[in-house]
Amino acid sequence: GAVVSQHPSRVICKSGTSVKIECRSLDFQATTMFWYRQFPKQSLMLMATSNEGSKATYEQGVEKDKFLINHASLTLSTLTVTSAHPEDSSFYICSARPTGTGNQPQHFGDGTRLSIL
Amino acid sequence: GESVGLHLPTLSVQEGDNSIINCAYSNSASDYFIWYKQESGKGPQFIIDIRSNMDKRQGQRVTVLLNKTVKHLSLQIAATQPGDSAVYFCAENSIAGNMLTFGGGTRLMVKP
Repeated sequence: GAVVSQHPSRVICKSGTSVKIECRSLDFQATTMFWYRQFPKQSLMLMATSNEGSKATYEQGVEKDKFLINHASLTLSTLTVTSAHPEDSSFYICSARPTGTGNQPQHFGDGTRLSIL
Repeated sequence: GESVGLHLPTLSVQEGDNSIINCAYSNSASDYFIWYKQESGKGPQFIIDIRSNMDKRQGQRVTVLLNKTVKHLSLQIAATQPGDSAVYFCAENSIAGNMLTFGGGTRLMVKP
């Protein structure tokens, strides 16, 4: 089955640090990947859609300069939380769908727990 | 199930019983629906999906029912096991589109 790998699984860092999270599709190509944020006991909220070779599409209320997305290849998207602050602490999850499969489910990584001190 | 404030609705069942988890969706244009299972500290895991041209689909121990008239989706788990304990999310999508919209989630607790 389609596997999505996310790294790191957990990050603890000081306020003001920038943190990069990687999302890789291991056995398929993904033109589009998705980044979600999840607060405790809540559902997943889409932050942005990452498009290979072009700019990401951000959801309303998500600062593109704060959450930098790069999708440089068909198997890798990165999310960089710039100058992170305690309010950025959350569970960040990426997903991907094999290219050309619009009617197939998205496959999710195991998330990154970000804790800003 | 839909979240109420910061608290997920919880369904508690005895091991071996059947579980039914409900979801109301909002977009009448949605034509593809998915159930995901999320265990603590992990990403959502695909369980089963259904397209709008169907009203029922069965998998291994799971059945999804779709009622487009009232925009309602349910997940039935037969002979619930302790390993089924998790948070379950429904998600809706348009086949022509890219984005998933997640429901609020329901926590399933299985008592041994």
